[in-house]
Amino acid sequence: QKEVEQDPGPLSVPEGAIVSLNCTYSNSAFQYFMWYRQYSRKGPELLMYTYSSGNKEDGRFTAQVDKSSKYISLFIRDSQPSDSATYLCAMDSSYKLIFGSGTRLLVRP
Amino acid sequence: EAQVTQNPRYLITVTGKKLTVTCSQNMNHEYMSWYRQDPGLGLRQIYYSMNVEVTDKGDVPEGYKVSRKEKRNFPLILESPSPNQTSLYFCASTGTSGGTDTQYFGPGTRLTVL
Repeated sequence: QKEVEQDPGPLSVPEGAIVSLNCTYSNSAFQYFMWYRQYSRKGPELLMYTYSSGNKEDGRFTAQVDKSSKYISLFIRDSQPSDSATYLCAMDSSYKLIFGSGTRLLVRP
Repeated sequence: EAQVTQNPRYLITVTGKKLTVTCSQNMNHEYMSWYRQDPGLGLRQIYYSMNVEVTDKGDVPEGYKVSRKEKRNFPLILESPSPNQTSLYFCASTGTSGGTDTQYFGPGTRLTVL
């Protein structure tokens, strides 16, 4: 079993939809939870960063962490075609990041 | 502009021919790392470096070497590449921004070993 599981998609939604992206994990020692966005032919870039449980909002993006269920989510409101990318969750208990395999999102105009 | 650069961006080579992928960062970060990205497997750490002359193995170090002679540079060396090392490689450096550690990734190097 992988330490971090993520549905690869692709997930196709119409413009303006609310998108929900999720990851589950098995290591209860993880304290830091991140979402990276990766456009085609580019390196990942940090999108959201959350420490421990709770919610964090940044514009159209909301990150949720439920440590009791070992489950994290990224919500995108009013999705735009420019949000089309691969979204990777990542978790960190020290300097090492463990990544999910990524979910490919396509937002149709 | 703060950035991580990698060269080359694309490389096709043959089995056994030694190659080096360079990585450089201009943010004065101490921590740097190399990842490979494969479909269905996500990003996996190959090697990391906590500072100059301090390197250690990540999750998939077999077949790779690194060096850290200067703070800004962290080259990845494949002494005898094999086809199973065909992958997309990313260099990253980690620094503190807004009170949290953030990894900055390079643009990637797509390597094909025939």
